[in-house]
Amino acid sequence: GENVEQHPSTLSVQEGDSAVIKCTYSDSASNYFPWYKQELGKRPQLIIDIRSNVGEKKDQRIAVTLNKTAKHFSLHITETQPEDSAVYFCAASPPVREGRRALTFGSGTRLQVQP
Amino acid sequence: NAGVTQTPKFRILKIGQSMTLQCTQDMNHNYMYWYRQDPGMGLKLIYYSVGAGITDKGEVPNGYNVSRSTTEDFPLRLELAAPSQTSVYFCASTSVPRPRGDQPQHFGDGTRLSIL
Repeated sequence: GENVEQHPSTLSVQEGDSAVIKCTYSDSASNYFPWYKQELGKRPQLIIDIRSNVGEKKDQRIAVTLNKTAKHFSLHITETQPEDSAVYFCAASPPVREGRRALTFGSGTRLQVQP
Repeated sequence: NAGVTQTPKFRILKIGQSMTLQCTQDMNHNYMYWYRQDPGMGLKLIYYSVGAGITDKGEVPNGYNVSRSTTEDFPLRLELAAPSQTSVYFCASTSVPRPRGDQPQHFGDGTRLSIL
């Protein structure tokens, strides 16, 4: 099955700096890669996702890049703000035709933005 | 739309007790999932369902059972609660994928379960 590794486990940045979180996946058939933000005691919330037919996607201060050859994808947050502080999870999903269709999550990155 | 609704929000069980975690969604999603999240960890898939009457095991199914008699409901059953099942349980749902790929999963607020 799929295995997703996420680094770093914790990340502290100054407000206004950029933050980068990296994930690698093992199943070359995976074709959908979402990123979730989870605040303390809350549900995971989708912040951005990318499909394997594109290499980069941006949404305001957030961007995700995908390198299918190397099987890794990254989350980039620019101009970080204190409200970006949360735990971020990457995930990967195989295509439906593989039968089992569900997300495999990374272990999470705790991002702290210092004011 | 309420989205994905989970009940209860909190529960304390004694070892060996049984309980059912409820999950319902009003988005007419075919796919539903149960995950558990241990403290400081990511989410691990317990069971999932691709439609009414169809369920399948995920990564960590031992000690759990599910059923899917309707599109809306996907309850998770713990038969003999054990301390190792202390966790936060999230239910999620998504629609059938479109030609361009998967659709985002929508999560419920979670059930915080402690087994003592």
